[in-house]
Amino acid sequence: QTVVTQEPSLTVSPGGTVTLTCASSTGAVTSGYYPNWFQQKPGQAPRALIYSTSNKHSWTPARFSGSLLGGQAALTLSGVQPEDEAEYYCLLYYGGAQLWVFGGGTKLTVL
Amino acid sequence: QITLKESGPTLVKPTQTLTLTCTFSGFSLSTSGVGVGWIRQPPGKALEWLALIYWDDDKRYSPSLKSRLTITKDTSKNQVVLTMTNMDPVDTATYYCARYEYNRSSLGSYWGQGTLVTVSS
Repeated sequence: QTVVTQEPSLTVSPGGTVTLTCASSTGAVTSGYYPNWFQQKPGQAPRALIYSTSNKHSWTPARFSGSLLGGQAALTLSGVQPEDEAEYYCLLYYGGAQLWVFGGGTKLTVL
Repeated sequence: QITLKESGPTLVKPTQTLTLTCTFSGFSLSTSGVGVGWIRQPPGKALEWLALIYWDDDKRYSPSLKSRLTITKDTSKNQVVLTMTNMDPVDTATYYCARYEYNRSSLGSYWGQGTLVTVSS
C-alpha cells in the first residue's frame, strides 16, 4: 500500500518562513507525481494552492510556492500571515497504477 | 463560474448502499481533459481519494475500496454519481467531489462544499 507522509505539525512565527514536505513510500518524488497542495481550514472544504509541483492557481497568494526538495515535494510559505494557520495536504499521482494518494496532512500553527 | 455540489443521504445503515450525486456547473464532462473525482474525510482525519471519472468515461478507483465503488456520469445532466456498497460505521465521513484537469495534472482545483454521511444503525 502506497503511503504519502507529511509532518504532522509545524509551528511558525508571523512573518517567518516555513517549508512543508511530502514524501512517498515508493521512493523519491519527482515532477511525474504532479504534486498538488491544498489548504483546509476548520469546517471548510479544501482549497487548491499548487498543482503540478510548482504552478499556482490564480487565487494562490504569492507567498506560497511549491518545489521539489531532496526527493520530496515541498510547499514553502514566506512571510507567513496569521490567516495561514490551517491544515495542509499534499496529493500525489501514481501513474503506473493510475491512482491518487493524499498525504496525512500538516497542521500549521502560526504563533 | 465553476461550482460543484454534493447531494445524498445524511444517514445510512450498516450494510446499505450509499449513492451520492455531484451536480456541477461551469464546465462539461464532454470536454476533453476534464474529469470529476470523489474524496472523503472522516471526522478529524485526513483526506482520502476514492474515485475519478474522465471525460472519455475512463474510470479509476482507490485500490482499497475498488470492490465497493462505482462511479458514473450523466453528461446531459452535468452530474457524477458515486455508489459505495456495504457501508460500515468507519465510512462515516464528509464526502467531496472535485474537478480534475488533465492539462494541469490538477485534481481538486474546485471542490464542492461536501456532504456529511453518517453510518449508524
